[in-house]
Amino acid sequence: DTAVSQTPKYLVTQMGNDKSIKCEQNLGHDTMYWYKQDSKKFLKIMFSYNNKELIINETVPNRFSPKSPDKAHLNLHINSLELGDSAVYFCASSQGRQYSGTQYFGPGTRLLVL
Amino acid sequence: KQEVTQIPAALSVPEGENLVLNCSFTDSAIYNLQWFRQDPGKGLTSLLLIQSSQREQTSGRLNASLDKSSGRSTLYIAASQPGDSATYLCARGSQGNLIFGKGTKLSVKP
Repeated sequence: DTAVSQTPKYLVTQMGNDKSIKCEQNLGHDTMYWYKQDSKKFLKIMFSYNNKELIINETVPNRFSPKSPDKAHLNLHINSLELGDSAVYFCASSQGRQYSGTQYFGPGTRLLVL
Repeated sequence: KQEVTQIPAALSVPEGENLVLNCSFTDSAIYNLQWFRQDPGKGLTSLLLIQSSQREQTSGRLNASLDKSSGRSTLYIAASQPGDSATYLCARGSQGNLIFGKGTKLSVKP
């Protein structure tokens, strides 16, 4: 069974649209994360979230917002998509407080904004 | 500024060689240091996690060390195999953040 899953795997959309990426983990972890990997393959944290705390990277535009319907899910909503949002987005999860344990990554969602 | 630097950016070795990948970081107030592997078009796979109170971790042919005082970590791969070819990333965990290096792209030639 897949530990951390993301949907969709590929997402091609027009500038200005609003889109969502879903993430689910079946590991029973407390904390989930969203990362962005740009065209130069540089990986950067966007959000970390558990049921007590949301930590937002200050460089993330407020067009991006995480939504957690329950402990096993952390979805990423993006409003008014821009060309520069094109990247691969990874979801991850870990046990315990933010960044304290081994992180398990999903396969990534490849977003292309035209 | 919190930074993580990995050297070299790319490395090509013949099969069977032992090799060392380097990671350096600023700010010794870390929770842990993690090593990941990323295959092309794939997500990251965690290899080793060293807590700040530890000096090294081992898993199979992999050994990772951590020296907080010098701000360095190394990943040692013994008897390299073509299947080890991938990009290896180190990441420094601290309160409220996980900062990645840009990775070392390893190619092991048969």
